[in-house]
Amino acid sequence: QSALTQPRSMSGSPGQSVTISCTGTSSDVGGYDYVSWYQQHPAKAPKLMIFDVTKRPSGVPDRFSGSKSGNTASLTISGLQAEDEADYFCFSYAGSYTWVFGGGTKLTVL
Amino acid sequence: QVQLVESGGGVVEPGRSLRLSCAASGFTFRSYAMHWVRQAPGKGLEWVAVISTDGSNQYYADSVKGRFTISRDNSKNTLYLQMNSLTPEDAVVYYCARHRGAQLVAAYFDYWGQGTLVTVAS
Repeated sequence: QSALTQPRSMSGSPGQSVTISCTGTSSDVGGYDYVSWYQQHPAKAPKLMIFDVTKRPSGVPDRFSGSKSGNTASLTISGLQAEDEADYFCFSYAGSYTWVFGGGTKLTVL
Repeated sequence: QVQLVESGGGVVEPGRSLRLSCAASGFTFRSYAMHWVRQAPGKGLEWVAVISTDGSNQYYADSVKGRFTISRDNSKNTLYLQMNSLTPEDAVVYYCARHRGAQLVAAYFDYWGQGTLVTVAS
């Protein structure tokens, strides 16, 4: 149950797009279409942004999108806004009824 | 509205036990599997355990297997985490989270509690 690999930090200017990667193995990210993404602001509980790789819950802006290629899932945020500055975590089923998070990416909006 | 409220955190000595609770409201608790997720302050998230709707199935992360027990009381709309043989590595914030996904394996979390902090120190 090793954590999925995410870049520790990323940044972008308002209006730009950023893509956060989440790399696992064929036993987790690559083996199932059960990847979700969470946004967490300081001292707050995580918030669901994407589920089942590409699906967006109601209420989440369509600036947020998800994708997957092989063992790597990605979260793309288009038209960056100041309120997007937060930590982002990916999450995946890892087989045998276990699940694993990514290490998290701190996104800074410049 | 959906609410999940954790309680039971606090200071405990290494090797001792603690039981966390998560009181659910605003939804039909018995219809949802539930998870515990933990996070060291300023660090990443770690999935801990899941329990099925009727409590008949529980699964654990390797890091807590054999020491932690997840349970639920559907008559009280409450989720529990019994934590035994605590170590300093268990000293983190614990969140309960509501399971979504058509199957247990397709887990994702649509609602989270605000977390309860466990401190392990002598």
